Amino acid sequence: EPEVTQTPSHQVTQMGQEVILRCVPISNHLYFYWYRQILGQKVEFLVSFYNNEISEKSEIFDDQFSVERPDGSNFTLKIRSTKLEDSAMYFCASSSGTYTEAFFGQGTRLTVV
Amino acid sequence: DAKTTQPPSMDCAEGRAANLPCNHSTISGNEYVYWYRQIHSQGPQYIIHGLKNNETNEMASLIITEDRKSSTLILPHATLRDTAVYYCIVRVATYAGNQFYFGTGTSLTVIP
Repeated sequence: EPEVTQTPSHQVTQMGQEVILRCVPISNHLYFYWYRQILGQKVEFLVSFYNNEISEKSEIFDDQFSVERPDGSNFTLKIRSTKLEDSAMYFCASSSGTYTEAFFGQGTRLTVV
Repeated sequence: DAKTTQPPSMDCAEGRAANLPCNHSTISGNEYVYWYRQIHSQGPQYIIHGLKNNETNEMASLIITEDRKSSTLILPHATLRDTAVYYCIVRVATYAGNQFYFGTGTSLTVIP
């Protein structure tokens, strides 16, 4: 069964450093998403991406964040200068259309120290 | 934001049906009802979705009331592996995609 793959599973970074989280969405999907979940809190929508541009973003997704689809298979989330409060699980998801379900990856646990 | 109300927790005996309720009294005509679950800290897992008809798949059944103000997710024979947080989400799809706004969900514990 096709699945969304995320790497790495766990990343530790120093405060102020840049991190790139990587995702390989399901191959025939057209819509891509990033979510995050701070420990013990809700899953929060960050951004959606369609047709090589951001289609929607939440208040959380400020100038420190950016997304990119550098080639035909990868989808990345970059955090420019990490803060302690960026520590969270980051989930990538993809869907084939606007009325179809989204499939989530297993997440990258980001720890900022 | 999620416009649903779910009980914070429920228990269910193993092998019995788990019936998880969700109120969405302000749902509009073009909003779908989606159910996801999250086992421990894994990625949310899609279960089922529907608009107004009842739906069934290999995982669960979704019963939506005629006025669409509430729905029930039914896991017909709960197993210990069904212990998870279950999220009911109403969502109108837009050109931008199918973004989901998760609430706090129902924590289901399946008891041996």
